Amino acid sequence: KQEVTQIPAALSVPEGENLVLNCSFTDSAIYNLQWFRQDPGKGLTSLLLIQSSQREQTSGRLNASLDKSSGRSTLYIAASQPGDSATYLCAVLNDDYGQNFVFGPGTRLSVLP
Amino acid sequence: DTEVTQTPKHLVMGMTNKKSLKCEQHMGHRAMYWYKQKAKKPPELMFVYSYEKLSINESVPSRFSPECPNSSLLNLHLHALQPEDSALYLCASSQKHFGGQPQHFGDGTRLSIL
Repeated sequence: KQEVTQIPAALSVPEGENLVLNCSFTDSAIYNLQWFRQDPGKGLTSLLLIQSSQREQTSGRLNASLDKSSGRSTLYIAASQPGDSATYLCAVLNDDYGQNFVFGPGTRLSVLP
Repeated sequence: DTEVTQTPKHLVMGMTNKKSLKCEQHMGHRAMYWYKQKAKKPPELMFVYSYEKLSINESVPSRFSPECPNSSLLNLHLHALQPEDSALYLCASSQKHFGGQPQHFGDGTRLSIL
């Protein structure tokens, strides 16, 4: 059974810092991995999706990498801003038919002005 | 603004009530999903509809009854719920169920069972 963990559970940084969020999964036979952002009381916003054949994806100040063989992904946020404060979740898809879409517990990020 | 719209945003109901949650998208997506999210926990998949047909039911109790009347709408009918069913219910959609398409989420309905 796929298990997804995220480290750290919570992170507080001053504005302007570069930071890395980590996601680990136990079954490396994934189809893709997706990073989401969730603001309090809101739904999820998709940030980046990495297919299993890809090593990384970039969008603005965000860069996500994937090392499938070691079961790890990282989300790098450059020059963090207070507006980046949210919970960041990673989710892995185990097969083409979406029958096993598993979320990690999330990392709660606070960026202090 | 989200492209997946969920109504109502908040719902309080008694254990004997019958209510429905509604989800709508106009992106032409043919896969729609219901998730349940408890406080400080990740979302858990409940149901998947693919081309308006129920594709996955993750062993959800029968007091939750999904319905997909057309490709843009997804409902979740609620009846005789329990206090532990209080949660944020999220709807999502993707272009197709297969092929690992990214999912787009609504803002959810926060449900409280008295």
